[in-house]
Amino acid sequence: DIVMTQSPDSLAVSLGERATINCKSSQSVLSSSNNRNYLAWYRQQPGQPPKLLIYWASTRESGVPDRFSGSGSGTDFTLTISSLQAEDVAVYYCQQYYSTPLYTFGQGTKLEIK
Amino acid sequence: QLQLQESGSGLVKPSQTLSLTCVVSGGSMSGNNYAWSWIRHPPGKDLEWIGNIYRSGGTYYNPSLKNRVTISADWSNYQFSLRLTSVTAADTAVYYCARARDMAFDIWGQGTMVTVSS
Repeated sequence: DIVMTQSPDSLAVSLGERATINCKSSQSVLSSSNNRNYLAWYRQQPGQPPKLLIYWASTRESGVPDRFSGSGSGTDFTLTISSLQAEDVAVYYCQQYYSTPLYTFGQGTKLEIK
Repeated sequence: QLQLQESGSGLVKPSQTLSLTCVVSGGSMSGNNYAWSWIRHPPGKDLEWIGNIYRSGGTYYNPSLKNRVTISADWSNYQFSLRLTSVTAADTAVYYCARARDMAFDIWGQGTMVTVSS
């Protein structure tokens, strides 16, 4: 299985400031056939299911605010929230789909307001 | 827009069978680009993919559960189902149904808590 490891486990950021979450995969999720990274990011607000934010490592899902961006390639990825809003208090997960159909998720990063 | 809703028993006895259904509304289940999935989140543990079913009828399961899990679909009634046999306390979790598009999960149900206890 591809193991996904996120860091940090939790962080606190002031409103309007930048938040950065990292995700590392135990093996590359970059496909040589299409040059795409098989990596997605989700936000799970309290009491809600996860919501897809980013796929192909850097493609924003329709309707997702542009303060969310994804970057990275191979085994190292980053989710950046450029200006934290109150509604961004949530747990964030990365997920690989390179080893489809055996999908695996990171352990989650809890984001709070400082 | 497309919505998914899980239903089923919230309490299952050890060694019995867990059964859940996901009803799809507001859209179609057709299209070969989609997989219809079950995912669970045990308390204090990572999200775990359980399995997929495709419009072609093909199914794929997590090897860790493969001998106990069955996913089926009733396409004409816009629903798909999960059966997990021989449950133990380790199967206690929030269970989600979801649609996979381009292999990322773009639509999720609200989730349903299932507790395994006598």
